[in-house]
Amino acid sequence: DAKTTQPNSMESNEEEPVHLPCNHSTISGTDYIHWYRQLPSQGPEYVIHGLTSNVNNRMASLAIAEDRKSSTLILHRATLRDAAVYYCILRGNYGQNFVFGPGTRLSVLP
Amino acid sequence: EAGVAQSPRYKIIEKRQSVAFWCNPISGHATLYWYQQILGQGPKLLIQFQNNGVVDDSQLPKDRFSAERLKGVDSTLKIQPAKLEDSAVYLCASSPVRTVNYGYTFGSGTRLTVV
Repeated sequence: DAKTTQPNSMESNEEEPVHLPCNHSTISGTDYIHWYRQLPSQGPEYVIHGLTSNVNNRMASLAIAEDRKSSTLILHRATLRDAAVYYCILRGNYGQNFVFGPGTRLSVLP
Repeated sequence: EAGVAQSPRYKIIEKRQSVAFWCNPISGHATLYWYQQILGQGPKLLIQFQNNGVVDDSQLPKDRFSAERLKGVDSTLKIQPAKLEDSAVYLCASSPVRTVNYGYTFGSGTRLTVV
């Protein structure tokens, strides 16, 4: 599985936007970019995924670089409930298993 | 829809004892996964079922871990005998099919402490 690189931790102030980066320089043309997050004492939950174009949903936006070697998860207005570990994962188009790295621990300050 | 149910929520056992975890996936989900998450790390896949058949158990320590999914619905994961290093959260996840456009739904996990 192609690997991703994320910062270990990030901090944000409540009600401000948060940009969580992910590098995936060895991504293949058929790899989808998935983001999951894990709230304290919970299992991971789906956030968003995309292939080439930027994606938006009610939780977040996903901005994908033109060369697809990096992507950014954007939380438009962080709340205290967004404090979690965020995982960026590549997944091939055959639905291969998700391989989780250590992710980015996001702290949201009131 | 109801989520993925796991029990127990917490378990404390002594080393060399045995323990079992139970998972009830979302109704109709054909694929079921068991992950192990050690503190501070991301989840690691132990075993994947498609209906009641094993698709991938390459990372399951088969000398002490076993899992089954009878009738392609509920699943149990067993550890016998447990070691200190098995202390972790055991997560169950399910998905409708094994394609890229379907993600996983995870349960809240079982936190195992081996003393």
